[in-house]
Amino acid sequence: DTAVSQTPKYLVTQMGNDKSIKCEQNLGHDTMYWYKQDSKKFLKIMFSYNNKELIINETVPNRFSPKSPDKAHLNLHINSLELGDSAVYFCASSQGVARETQYFGPGTRLLVL
Amino acid sequence: GNSVTQMEGPVTLSEEAFLTINCTYTATGYPSLFWYVQYPGEGLQLLLKATKADDKGSNKGFEATYRKETTSFHLEKGSVQVSDSAVYFCALLAAGNKLTFGGGTRVLVKP
Repeated sequence: DTAVSQTPKYLVTQMGNDKSIKCEQNLGHDTMYWYKQDSKKFLKIMFSYNNKELIINETVPNRFSPKSPDKAHLNLHINSLELGDSAVYFCASSQGVARETQYFGPGTRLLVL
Repeated sequence: GNSVTQMEGPVTLSEEAFLTINCTYTATGYPSLFWYVQYPGEGLQLLLKATKADDKGSNKGFEATYRKETTSFHLEKGSVQVSDSAVYFCALLAAGNKLTFGGGTRVLVKP
């Protein structure tokens, strides 16, 4: 029984395309996140939603748009993909926002050609 | 702002050797501290955590103690196995709920 799942696991696409990554958690958590891991393994937060409301929005190009249809899902849509978007994108969730432990999904490896 | 500094790898050692990965942090207030592990080709897994000074987190033979006086959270394991080969990330969580990660330390254990 997977706690935080992401689809797809791998995504290879051409520059200029639009793609989406989906995330679902079955932990009953209220808060979900997107992190980006670059080629040097550096991890940085992008967005966070609490109860479907955006609460963290880091300096990310507006080609990236998160959407949370309900508390258990947080999707990431990327428009006009660029080479520099190639990375591993991790979804995470936590019970709340009061410094709760965050649990991560398996990651989506995006390669833009 | 908040930051985490951990030793650069790779760290290469033999099976049954002692492992230490240093981690120091800068943060306002009293953050919670974490170690996450990423096995090859996999996602991030929580390894252990500590939420206040002098707390010791432990899991799978790994330990780390929250040292406020030295702002450190060093990871240790007494006898590593080949299966411990992975990238280890130190992280802190302060007000604002954003995890701040160190750069990761790759560990390679040879038989």
